[in-house]
Amino acid sequence: AQSVTQPDIHITVSEGASLELRCNYSYGATPYLFWYVQSPGQGLQLLLKYFSGDTLVQGIKGFEAEFKRSQSSFNLRKPSVHWSDAAEYFCAVARGGGADGLTFGKGTHLIIQP
Amino acid sequence: GAVVSQHPSWVICKSGTSVKIECRSLDFQATTMFWYRQFPKQSLMLMATSNEGSKATYEQGVEKDKFLINHASLTLSTLTVTSAHPEDSSFYICSASPRQLNTFGSGTRLTVV
Repeated sequence: AQSVTQPDIHITVSEGASLELRCNYSYGATPYLFWYVQSPGQGLQLLLKYFSGDTLVQGIKGFEAEFKRSQSSFNLRKPSVHWSDAAEYFCAVARGGGADGLTFGKGTHLIIQP
Repeated sequence: GAVVSQHPSWVICKSGTSVKIECRSLDFQATTMFWYRQFPKQSLMLMATSNEGSKATYEQGVEKDKFLINHASLTLSTLTVTSAHPEDSSFYICSASPRQLNTFGSGTRLTVV
């Protein structure tokens, strides 16, 4: 069965500093990987996804993620965070291919310090 | 494109009553939709896969008689929480997957009192 691990429950970053959120997955086949952001009481917004091809994926809001098969990782990065980036971030893997239900990590709560 | 609309955004109901939540694909047809549940400060858990014109597929541990899913058209799936109890209070969110985008609705906050 597939699983997703986000080892950091909370991360605090100063505004303007760089950010990296960790995600490790366990999946037998080629993974379809996603990063979502959720503001309090809101739905999920897709930041980026990886299905195949270039392992460095560009997303919205200045985010990028790198797929590393050897490390089973799909870490999310941003060179300079803004106060509006404070939110909950979820990494997810698609079950059975790209059009299937998702298995989510537990999420990382990002706090931005002024 | 690929917008999923969910209604209502929040609902409060009395214990023992039933509540229906709607999930609509606005600009695409969705033969499959997904329903998730999220407890406060926790992750999302897949509850069931809703299939247009056929029975839903429920995840292990999800009571199909408690959470009734109907997917009667290519743009609408409904989740009915029957005989709701306080432990059913949660954030319910649906998604559809046009072109493998896994687009989510804005969620429904259910509070059972």
